Amino acid sequence: KAGVTQTPRYLIKTRGQQVTLSCSPISGHRSVSWYQQTPGQGLQFLFEYFSETQRNKGNFPGRFSGRQFSNSRSEMNVSTLELGDSALYLCASSARGSRDEQFFGPGTRLTVL
Amino acid sequence: GQQLNQSPQSMFIQEGEDVSMNCTSSSIFNTWLWYKQDPGEGPVLLIALYKAGELTSNGRLTAQFGITRKDSFLNISASIPSDVGIYFCAGQLTLQGAQKLVFGQGTRLTINP
Repeated sequence: KAGVTQTPRYLIKTRGQQVTLSCSPISGHRSVSWYQQTPGQGLQFLFEYFSETQRNKGNFPGRFSGRQFSNSRSEMNVSTLELGDSALYLCASSARGSRDEQFFGPGTRLTVL
Repeated sequence: GQQLNQSPQSMFIQEGEDVSMNCTSSSIFNTWLWYKQDPGEGPVLLIALYKAGELTSNGRLTAQFGITRKDSFLNISASIPSDVGIYFCAGQLTLQGAQKLVFGQGTRLTINP
């Protein structure tokens, strides 16, 4: 069974631009969570989607948004990029999203110049 | 909000030595998870703990879910070079039907051959 895939793996943008990251969960998994990882703040939860609905949200500004499609694939969008948005963005999928284990993708490394 | 204090932040050991790291929190979690992250990859789940007091092993790894549900430790016995990486603890709790995963800051393990 294929693991979680994320595209693109690397991305360079400039301040003010917007970006869309994609995540394909493990087949059959319906929950997708997004995390931001930086050296200073560690892994921080952005949001979770389950069956196309946002079920949980972390403490990030409204510039960070996401959505989930009927096939459970998810996208994350960041608008009006800031230098501080440079980070590794990880998505994780789980079968039902409660007690089930989360499996992480390799991440998308975003650099904002 | 929920925070995890993971220690130590880094460890430099000789190959063959045992390793111990732990996480504490002022919050109560339903599940404790331990992940390992290699450079350029997402975290990989090592051990999941679901009950207070639970002691679980996975090969040379042993982890325990603290009886108060506020702490956990991970031990690695007889370390080998491939154990190098960053280890994260994570506490999981369910809020309003949605899971929330809170990560520690990580322990960077370096092994001298």
